[in-house]
Amino acid sequence: EVQLLESGGGLVQPGGSLRLSCAASGFTFSTYAMSWVRQAPGKGLEWVSVISGSGGSTYYADSVKGRFTISRDNSKNTLYLQMNSLRAEDTAIYYCAKSRKDLDIGSSGPLIYYFDYWGQGTLVTVSS
Amino acid sequence: DIVMTQTPLSSPVTLGQPASISCRSSQSLVHSDGNTYLSWLQQRPGQPPRLLIYKISKRFSGVPDRFSGSGAGTDFTLKISRVEAEDVGVYYCMQATQFPVTFGQGTRLEIK
Repeated sequence: EVQLLESGGGLVQPGGSLRLSCAASGFTFSTYAMSWVRQAPGKGLEWVSVISGSGGSTYYADSVKGRFTISRDNSKNTLYLQMNSLRAEDTAIYYCAKSRKDLDIGSSGPLIYYFDYWGQGTLVTVSS
Repeated sequence: DIVMTQTPLSSPVTLGQPASISCRSSQSLVHSDGNTYLSWLQQRPGQPPRLLIYKISKRFSGVPDRFSGSGAGTDFTLKISRVEAEDVGVYYCMQATQFPVTFGQGTRLEIK
């Protein structure tokens, strides 16, 4: 059974940092792309970042580029999101999501296919 | 970025009756590999999103057959043949054909 369990959320001041983790089990972690998707309170879904199975390719939404860093440790079956220079608008539930396959890097950009499994999410609140 | 527009934003439905949600994309979602990466997600109250349908019409594992997807190009539809109480929640369409992945605004399904 595929399981994704996020942790690391909490209250942080504007300008602060936080690192989220997502522990994966039930599948061969290193062979699938993984993403972070966030949902502001009462709002819709926003894709944040994706990383290839090997960790060699990473992509970001413009809203977080230069502030967030996605990474993974395939020996620990864990996905990470390092969030720096946090802003109030980063307040959201952060979900990790598994892609159906590894990233396909095409001429028109990375192909994520679709997200077949999602974690329960971890809440990040940026406030003074 | 591709804009995904869902209608309606709210859908009150009687138990046992059908429901339909539309999703329109600002550009064709046909990928150069011939596939259309349009999926539908369900988010029950207080829960994370859950995959229902992928590649327009393929039901994901464990999804009841009362859920079906259809469409092509830029126009897509999610149908529920007979709404049950457990179907209450918000439904999102999502495209992954063109980077970055984008989602519709969500359609709230509620029971009359």
